[in-house]
Amino acid sequence: QQQVKQSPQSLIVQKGGISIINCAYENTAFDYFPWYQQFPGKGPALLIAIRPDVSEKKEGRFTISFNKSAKQFSLHIMDSQPGDSATYFCAASHGAMNTGFQKLVFGTGTRLLVSP
Amino acid sequence: GAVVSQHPSWVICKSGTSVKIECRSLDFQATTMFWYRQFPKQSLMLMATSNEGSKATYEQGVEKDKFLINHASLTLSTLTVTSAHPEDSSFYICSARVTSETQYFGPGTRLLVL
Repeated sequence: QQQVKQSPQSLIVQKGGISIINCAYENTAFDYFPWYQQFPGKGPALLIAIRPDVSEKKEGRFTISFNKSAKQFSLHIMDSQPGDSATYFCAASHGAMNTGFQKLVFGTGTRLLVSP
Repeated sequence: GAVVSQHPSWVICKSGTSVKIECRSLDFQATTMFWYRQFPKQSLMLMATSNEGSKATYEQGVEKDKFLINHASLTLSTLTVTSAHPEDSSFYICSARVTSETQYFGPGTRLLVL
């Protein structure tokens, strides 16, 4: 129940196209859903995050769509560029009663390649 | 954004030796830091939560005597892999908690045990 399932495992998109990565979760206690971008040999960097009280959040070319009833959320990268080629991880977390902070559960990752 | 550094960025050691990895929050204080492990082409797995001034909390299946964590100050947490073996070779990443839900990640440390 703590898992976050992510698909696809890998994705090839042409420059200028839309990249779409999907995630699904089971634990309804999750209340924070971030997306991370990771380049080879580097740590993950926070891209964008959403809470379940909104259905969509947009920051620049990145948009999160959230479907609470389906327990799914997705990342859309508009006008994909070769520089977007990286591994993307979705994650989920919920507040812990005894600590007050949230631990992240990561999806399995999607390797995105944007062809020139 | 908040900056987290790790040192060293990579390390090669012989089997049976111990290796210490440092995680520092450079421009903020972090009462809580997290240590993750990532195998090639796999996801990040939380190993432990490091709390300043108290004992670390380890995730199920992580040996606390093998992965020693010390969080002696508000800007530094260390992970020591004791008696390292080739199966401990991995990418170790720390993160520092900025808010109750936001973590900033370090650049990672690649460990190779021969």
